[in-house]
Amino acid sequence: QQQVKQSPQSLIVQKGGISIINCAYENTAFDYFPWYQQFPGKGPALLIAIRPDVSEKKEGRFTISFNKSAKQFSLHIMDSQPGDSATYFCAASRAYYNNNDMRFGAGTRLTVKP
Amino acid sequence: NAGVTQTPKFQVLKTGQSMTLQCAQDMNHNSMYWYRQDPGMGLRLIYYSASEGTTDKGEVPNGYNVSRLNKREFSLRLESAAPSQTSVYFCASSEMGLGLNEQYFGPGTRLTVT
Repeated sequence: QQQVKQSPQSLIVQKGGISIINCAYENTAFDYFPWYQQFPGKGPALLIAIRPDVSEKKEGRFTISFNKSAKQFSLHIMDSQPGDSATYFCAASRAYYNNNDMRFGAGTRLTVKP
Repeated sequence: NAGVTQTPKFQVLKTGQSMTLQCAQDMNHNSMYWYRQDPGMGLRLIYYSASEGTTDKGEVPNGYNVSRLNKREFSLRLESAAPSQTSVYFCASSEMGLGLNEQYFGPGTRLTVT
């Protein structure tokens, strides 16, 4: 069963626009929510992560919003740039565990048009 | 530091052939993982090794075996390849440390089974 559902599958945004990717999880034991960025031909790389003790975390143009009661979290990319064009994966796991329970969303392919 | 390295980058196998995917990390991490990435499925954990000398099954272990050769190296073996094992395989490593485990991924091996 897919424990982390991610939408949309693909997203096209104009340069300077806001990109929003949404994820929902099922397992209430999950308390660590990272986002990974993957460029073609490369492995995923951690972009930003959040714990449920905060509702929002911002790093530069990237912001995670977290809604514990709805079991949802989202990635916002402000002022999107062509260099942000990549596939983004959300994930969820138990934080203080050895990460064998990390579950990934299916991915969102983001294209930022110049 | 090379981070996580994987060999080979590409491989084509015939059904029934065997092969071993190699992974090495130079970050002195205790934990290592093998994932497969399929379109629309995100990343799914095949096997993981919490520390040298231990291995455990992940979500999709059938058809695979692993060896944690030492702290640096973690190999994945396909004994009798099947077309369903056509995928991109990623190795990753992490360190328990304070508990929040950022996983560092290798560049991947693209495997086609005909």
